[in-house]
Amino acid sequence: EAGVAQSPRYKIIEKRQSVAFWCNPISGHATLYWYQQILGQGPKLLIQFQNNGVVDDSQLPKDRFSAERLKGVDSTLKIQPAKLEDSAVYLCASSHGGEQFFGPGTRLTVL
Amino acid sequence: AQTVTQSQPEMSVQEAETVTLSCTYDTSESDYYLFWYKQPPSRQMILVIRQEAYKQQNATENRFSVNFQKAAKSFSLKISDSQLGDAAMYFCAGEYSGAGSYQLTFGKGTKLSVIP
Repeated sequence: EAGVAQSPRYKIIEKRQSVAFWCNPISGHATLYWYQQILGQGPKLLIQFQNNGVVDDSQLPKDRFSAERLKGVDSTLKIQPAKLEDSAVYLCASSHGGEQFFGPGTRLTVL
Repeated sequence: AQTVTQSQPEMSVQEAETVTLSCTYDTSESDYYLFWYKQPPSRQMILVIRQEAYKQQNATENRFSVNFQKAAKSFSLKISDSQLGDAAMYFCAGEYSGAGSYQLTFGKGTKLSVIP
């Protein structure tokens, strides 16, 4: 069984630029999560999808972050414009009513 | 609000020895799960062990076991016969019902080094 796929693995941008991350969950997993992991901290949930609907986005900075999950499968997380404090690893996870399976993450550096 | 606290930023253990990582949590929920995740330098979060709050028996997975003290809200991880491959960041996490669906709250992590 293929795991959660994420791309790119690394991204370096200047502040005020835009960036997008892609996630492909495990086939058949209805729930998809995006986490932000700042260096030295544990992951923090940004948004949770159930199929293509948003379950919880209370911790998503909506003035600059957006996410979508078209057709209830792949998901894209976008930051526009990026700030220095957005430097972090962005993790995607999926589940089917139980254990969450994580992707390898995207390391974002904002200069 | 749910909180998870790991008070040991770093720990080290000699190969083949035993080490215990500490975790405390706080929640008003009665139905929840607790987890230990391992995150090696590759950044992939890997589930090590899980514990259902309603179960009194401590979970075990091969060399990994937990000491779950529900009244004290304590959930420590014991790694026996430590191996070089155990070196990683370890995160304690709680899964509580929120907004109608279970969500993970993580601690800040403990960096485990294994000394040959």
